[in-house]
Amino acid sequence: DQQVKQNSPSLSVQEGRISILNCDYTNSMFDYFLWYKKYPAEGPTFLISISSIKDKNEDGRFTVFLNKSAKHLSLHIVPSQPGDSAVYFCAASLQGAQKLVFGQGTRLTINP
Amino acid sequence: DTAVSQTPKYLVTQMGNDKSIKCEQNLGHDTMYWYKQDSKKFLKIMFSYNNKELIINETVPNRFSPKSPDKAHLNLHINSLELGDSAVYFCASSQVTFFSGNTIYFGEGSWLTVV
Repeated sequence: DQQVKQNSPSLSVQEGRISILNCDYTNSMFDYFLWYKKYPAEGPTFLISISSIKDKNEDGRFTVFLNKSAKHLSLHIVPSQPGDSAVYFCAASLQGAQKLVFGQGTRLTINP
Repeated sequence: DTAVSQTPKYLVTQMGNDKSIKCEQNLGHDTMYWYKQDSKKFLKIMFSYNNKELIINETVPNRFSPKSPDKAHLNLHINSLELGDSAVYFCASSQVTFFSGNTIYFGEGSWLTVV
């Protein structure tokens, strides 16, 4: 039973355009949501997060949106750059659980 | 300096063998984890240790035994390896005091292939 799902295994976007990565979750008790970025042969690295009490968090070119009623979050990257090509993992945490529940990742390819 | 380092990076071994993956973090964190990325690409937690004490064990077979000699190290020993153990294993650490998810640091992963 996967509590966090990323239904798009891959996404291809032209350089300079907006990339939108989506994530759905089932557990309404999640209190924190995160996006991790992973390059080949490397471990995931933290990108941006959002608390469940907010609906938007922005950091430079990256913005995460949270829709709690739909149990959906998305990551917007604008403008997309070639260096953004990576696998993006959505993750969620339960207060006090001290662990992250990850989705299966979406491979983003930015085309020049 | 690598914050979370794990060795070996690649491991190919036969069914039935016993193998270990080592992990060390130099961040001064209190909590360390092992995550497994399975064939469906989900990253799933296996274990977590806080100051050498086991705090999470996610229904992992007994063949998997984590060992934490000190809070900077968390090794993973696997007995009687099976084909289904083939996966990428990620070590990670966090400062649990500030745990809100964004302070988990991952190692580069260990690719285990059982043949």
